[in-house]
Amino acid sequence: EIVMTQSPATLSVSPGERATLSCRASQSVRSYSAWYQHKPGQAPRLLIYDASTRASGIPARFSGSGSGTEFTLIISSLQSEDSAVYYCQQYKNWPWTFGQGTKVEIK
Amino acid sequence: EVQLLESGGGLVQPGGSLRLSCAASGFTRSYAMTWVRQAPGKGLEWVSTINGNGDSTYYADSVKGRFTISRDNSKNTLYLQMNSLRAEDTAVYFCAKDWGWFGSWGQGTLVTVSS
Repeated sequence: EIVMTQSPATLSVSPGERATLSCRASQSVRSYSAWYQHKPGQAPRLLIYDASTRASGIPARFSGSGSGTEFTLIISSLQSEDSAVYYCQQYKNWPWTFGQGTKVEIK
Repeated sequence: EVQLLESGGGLVQPGGSLRLSCAASGFTRSYAMTWVRQAPGKGLEWVSTINGNGDSTYYADSVKGRFTISRDNSKNTLYLQMNSLRAEDTAVYFCAKDWGWFGSWGQGTLVTVSS
């Protein structure tokens, strides 16, 4: 099983500042990775797929990069509505696996 | 607009069974569909995936042999039959659309396994 490890566990950022979230895979997943935003009581929301492709309707301040075992999600200018837990996921191998999540807080 | 609506959750005793449903609308092609769950205070966990025509299914080891995913494309509905339920199956169960990455999700249905 491919383990996805996210860091940090919690990130506190001021509005308008940049947030950088990391995700490391235990073995190469090439570009078969995605990022999701999840707010309490809501459905998760796809942000990025294939490591760097922004999903439909996602604001340009969200960007993804990386390949192989290292992936990054950047929120370029944090807005109050970006407070959420963010998960990375790999779909290279079965079982598909998620990271444990990074909680983004607004300072 | 894609809509996914889960139902069938509830309280069940350990060892019991439950069938979840996910009614889909807003798309005509038969896409792969997936169940993902979130235990209380925990992260997302992939549970099971079925391909578009239903002839290929995939399961997490934690549910293999106990859960069965199926679909009825004539009714645009996805199912998850859950047998031999355990306390650790307690979670919100989400259905999601697409293969690999999940572009659309339902709001989830809560399954509580407790005596």
